[in-house]
Amino acid sequence: EAEVAQSPRYKITEKSQAVAFWCDPISGHATLYWYRQILGQGPELLVQFQDESVVDDSQLPKDRFSAERLKGVDSTLKIQPAELGDSAMYLCASSLGTQETQYFGPGTRLLVL
Amino acid sequence: AQKITQTQPGMFVQEKEAVTLDCTYDTSDPSYGLFWYKQPSSGEMIFLIYQGSYDQQNATEGRYSLNFQKARKSANLVISASQLGDSAMYFCAMREGLSTSYGKLTFGQGTILTVHP
Repeated sequence: EAEVAQSPRYKITEKSQAVAFWCDPISGHATLYWYRQILGQGPELLVQFQDESVVDDSQLPKDRFSAERLKGVDSTLKIQPAELGDSAMYLCASSLGTQETQYFGPGTRLLVL
Repeated sequence: AQKITQTQPGMFVQEKEAVTLDCTYDTSDPSYGLFWYKQPSSGEMIFLIYQGSYDQQNATEGRYSLNFQKARKSANLVISASQLGDSAMYFCAMREGLSTSYGKLTFGQGTILTVHP
C-alpha cells in the first residue's frame, strides 16, 4: 500500500541551529501539505503545494521557515534558526487534488533545546 | 470562533462496547467535507471516514460510522465493538469548499479514547 514517507522521524537540535525535514508523497499525488502539531493540539497547516507551486503559506513564519517542492514530487521544509517554540510534530500529507482525502506520513518529532 | 469543536477531552469505553465521539463544526460554505482521523501514540494520522456536505446518507467504514446531522452542524464518530487497538487520539477535521480555501483541513482539539479490557 502506498504511503507518505518522512525523514527524519526524530530530530533534536539546539536553538539557533538549522533543521530540515523531507517528505515524499504518495506517487501521483499533486497536492502536498505541511502541518505543525503542538503537543495536545490538532495539526495546523503551514504550507500547501499544488505540484511545484505554493498555493497557501499564510501561516508559515516566513522569517525563519521555508519550503520547496522543486520538481513537484518530494518536498523539504526548513527552519533557520530554530527557536524553542518550534518544538512540535511536523506532519506531511498528500492528496490527489485539493478536494481529495489527505493521507499523512509518520511525522517528524522536533525538539529544540 | 472555533471552526471545529470537540468537547470531550477524554473518553473511556469497555472493550466490545460502542462509543460516540462528538464533533460540531461552523462554516457558512455550502460545500464542505468532514473527516475523522485516528492518531496512535506513534504519531501518524490515520484516515478513518469522510462525509460530504451533500451526501444524503451517513458514511460508514467497517466499525466506523459518522452520525451526520447537518442542521445541528454535528458529525459524531461512532465506533462499534471497541477493540484495545482503538485506544488513541481522535481528530475531527473539516475541509471547506474551494470558495473558501484550497482544501486545507481545519482540525479540532482531539479526544483521547481509552478502551478498557
